[in-house]
Amino acid sequence: DTGVSQDPRHKITKRGQNVTFRCDPISEHNRLYWYRQTLGQGPEFLTYFQNEAQLEKSRLLSDRFSAERPKGSFSTLEIQRTEQGDSAMYLCASSLIQGAVSWEKLFFGSGTQLSVL
Amino acid sequence: AQRVTQPEKLLSVFKGAPVELKCNYSYSGSPELFWYVQYSRQRLQLLLRHISRESIKGFTADLNKGETSFHLKKPFAQEEDSAMYYCALRPAGTALIFGKGTTLSVSS
Repeated sequence: DTGVSQDPRHKITKRGQNVTFRCDPISEHNRLYWYRQTLGQGPEFLTYFQNEAQLEKSRLLSDRFSAERPKGSFSTLEIQRTEQGDSAMYLCASSLIQGAVSWEKLFFGSGTQLSVL
Repeated sequence: AQRVTQPEKLLSVFKGAPVELKCNYSYSGSPELFWYVQYSRQRLQLLLRHISRESIKGFTADLNKGETSFHLKKPFAQEEDSAMYYCALRPAGTALIFGKGTTLSVSS
């Protein structure tokens, strides 16, 4: 499968623990996005990378959240000292930007469902 | 503030009936708008983008800057159209902002 893959699919953790998620984008894609989605809401933007550079972080992204994309390939999203409010589906998406972003098409992964007890 | 509003959480129609999924946006610049769809047990995927003015699976959407709307329409709904539909706005130089989504249910 050459789509966006995310690991793990599900994560259950206790409040205060750290968790890390991984996203493997489609191989030639240069942009990678992280979104968070809670029940009844649309995806909320967290951060995105172009190659290895993190170009934007949402104000939603507290200091407990950090994302990396070393070498412009896979990406990790770490949440430190998890809180119950962090429980959500974390979605990764990738795209290939060539020229105008108006034509950008995001390809989403299946997501990682986080439950903080 | 930049915002996307989808006023209906659920839209139920019968097969063969026309469908209109509403989307309104708030953005002071020149908007770029998209519709994404998520079928049951599938990933979120792009349905169409306003810039291409295309028809995908019989769906069309017209950008109306005066009414700040980008409603999704289909003249004759099919059962396989049942899904969650998200309208999304791309402000200049930043990432997509999604609405809360509308569930479309098409029954026979």
